[in-house]
Amino acid sequence: AQTVTQSQPEMSVQEAETVTLSCTYDTSESNYYLFWYKQPPSRQMILVIRQEAYKQQNATENRFSVNFQKAAKSFSLKISDSQLGDTAMYFCAFMKTHSGGSNYKLTFGKGTLLTVNP
Amino acid sequence: SAVISQKPSRDICQRGTSLTIQCQVDSQVTMMFWYRQQPGQSLTLIATANQGSEATYESGFVIDKFPISRPNLTFSTLTVSNMSPEDSSIYLCSVGAGGPHEQFFGPGTRLTVL
Repeated sequence: AQTVTQSQPEMSVQEAETVTLSCTYDTSESNYYLFWYKQPPSRQMILVIRQEAYKQQNATENRFSVNFQKAAKSFSLKISDSQLGDTAMYFCAFMKTHSGGSNYKLTFGKGTLLTVNP
Repeated sequence: SAVISQKPSRDICQRGTSLTIQCQVDSQVTMMFWYRQQPGQSLTLIATANQGSEATYESGFVIDKFPISRPNLTFSTLTVSNMSPEDSSIYLCSVGAGGPHEQFFGPGTRLTVL
């Protein structure tokens, strides 16, 4: 079974600064996907960024980028130029590439509550 | 992406009753998923619902407690049956709009059971 660990329950950052959220995972799979989702107080889950394990290049999406270290099973999220609207719970998630049948299960970490301060 | 709506957005129910949650998508999708988020916790997959087949339930979740319907490619319902306070959670549906490896979530239904 896969596990996802987010060791930082809460973090804070000043507006316009950079912050990095940590995520580690455990799997015996060689091919998989990793995701960061954002859940603001409105509770809408928003996909922030996705990384395919077979790609060595780190994914980037505007101010959001990841540091994917496959050997270390680490998948951190860097938010540059933090904005007040980035305040949210951030979840790291794992999915096997070939789940078989109709099961494409996302396994989530417990989340990191990020607060951006003015 | 996809635009996903859920009804109701929240509800307060008495123990022993049942609630049906609806999930509507603005485009046809093969795969829909139902997740539970207990207070202060992460999300846990309840089941996968594909049109034209029986839902596939995760360990710890059973059809009698969480019956699911998937009558077409844009709609699904999840029923929480014989509710107890432990069922108080946010229930979210998601769809594999860009393929199953890219899931988009609805706004969730906040359920409180008294």
